[in-house]
Amino acid sequence: GAVVSQHPSRVICKSGTSVKIECRSLDFQATTMFWYRQFPKQSLMLMATSNEGSKATYEQGVEKDKFLINHASLTLSTLTVTSAHPEDSSFYICSARDLLNEQFFGPGTRLTVL
Amino acid sequence: GQQVMQIPQYQHVQEGEDFTTYCNSSTTLSNIQWYKQRPGGHPVFLIQLVKSGEVKKQKRLTFQFGEAKKNSSLHITATQTTDVGTYFCAGPGIGFQKLVFGTGTRLLVSP
Repeated sequence: GAVVSQHPSRVICKSGTSVKIECRSLDFQATTMFWYRQFPKQSLMLMATSNEGSKATYEQGVEKDKFLINHASLTLSTLTVTSAHPEDSSFYICSARDLLNEQFFGPGTRLTVL
Repeated sequence: GQQVMQIPQYQHVQEGEDFTTYCNSSTTLSNIQWYKQRPGGHPVFLIQLVKSGEVKKQKRLTFQFGEAKKNSSLHITATQTTDVGTYFCAGPGIGFQKLVFGTGTRLLVSP
């Protein structure tokens, strides 16, 4: 299957700093990428849908000014957690959708905010 | 809003026993997908069902899509320790661009 990478895989930062997470589709072009957040022992919750060349669509309750998404190319989407706080600590997972509508997930980024 | 629930939340079985997880959507789905997430890992796509009443098999895994296209099940025959993980069903959300994930069933298999 297709490969999606995420970087970094793990990040620890101080409260108030911003963290950027990259999501790349390595062997296919993805016009649509998705960003999910998963708290321990819970399901994946969609945060936003990222479309190449246009503004992201955020789910209800997700602050667009706090979670900045940029989908600058068909293979790269970035999520920036601005002014991170301990409650933002979570597992952030991206996925990219191929032409057959199948979603491939990245390995995830574990964010810990101290 | 649209909800996708799974039962049970957790199941612990002995190796060799069978396991089933049930997925129920509050809305009719055009398709249902199943994913497996190993501890510490990310979801891995298993299968997609599209037709009403569809049944698909992958080795020891049997997937079924309900006649009303609002529920689905995953059955594992003779579980193995490698089956450990959380199994999620997921269906298209409003607008069909996004996936709505079920609550998940965590499976633990003891040798």
